Amino acid sequence: KAGVTQTPRYLIKTRGQQVTLSCSPISGHRSVSWYQQTPGQGLQFLFEYFSETQRNKGNFPGRFSGRQFSNSRSEMNVSTLELGDSALYLCASSFGQAWDGYTFGSGTRLTVV
Amino acid sequence: AQSVTQLDSQVPVFEEAPVELRCNYSSSVSVYLFWYVQYPNQGLQLLLKYLSGSTLVKGINGFEAEFNKSQTSFHLRKPSVHISDTAEYFCAVSVEYGGSQGNLIFGKGTKLSVKP
Repeated sequence: KAGVTQTPRYLIKTRGQQVTLSCSPISGHRSVSWYQQTPGQGLQFLFEYFSETQRNKGNFPGRFSGRQFSNSRSEMNVSTLELGDSALYLCASSFGQAWDGYTFGSGTRLTVV
Repeated sequence: AQSVTQLDSQVPVFEEAPVELRCNYSSSVSVYLFWYVQYPNQGLQLLLKYLSGSTLVKGINGFEAEFNKSQTSFHLRKPSVHISDTAEYFCAVSVEYGGSQGNLIFGKGTKLSVKP
C-alpha cells in the first residue's frame, strides 16, 4: 500500500514569506501529526489532527498552523518565515490510538534564506 | 509530564559486534514505547514497539528491546551489527489520554556508526 506522501520534498523561501506543506496519509489512517526536526532541538511535536479536528498541539508560535480535510489529507502553514524555521518537517499518520505508532513520510526540507 | 532520555548521542561500533542503545523514560502513567530508525534524508521507520505483555520485544532487521518498568528503561539491542545499520535511532513514548492518542515524545536520538 502507498505510504505517507509529503510534498514538496525541498523548498527554499525568503524571510517574511509564508509556506504551505502537504501530507497525504496512509489510506484508512485518520490521525495526522506534524513534527519539526532540527539538529539542535531534535524532533519537536507541532500538532495532531484527527477527523478534521486539532486534538493536540505542541509549543510553537501561532505562525504555525494546520488543517485536515475530510479525506484525512493535511496541510501545515507557516507564516512570516524566520531563519530559525529552516528544518525538516515530518508528517506521520496512524489510526489514532496511542498504541498504534506512526508511519512517517520522507519529510519536506524547508530552507529559509 | 513525560520525557525520554537517550543516554548516548553517538555510538561507534565495529561490524559484527553487538550493540546496545540506551533509553530511559519518565512518566507517572502507563506508556507505550517505540524505537524508530532514520536513514539519511529519509523519514522515520518503526523498528519495534512495546505495548504490554512480554518485556522482550523483537523488531525488524534483527533488533530487539527490553522493557524494564522498575528502571523505566527500554534499551535497544542487536547481537551483530552490519554496515547498513548505520543510522540515527530514536526512542519515543506515547501516552493514552482517555482512550485517545497522545503525541509521541521523542528522545534526542543516538547516531549509530558501524565501522568495517
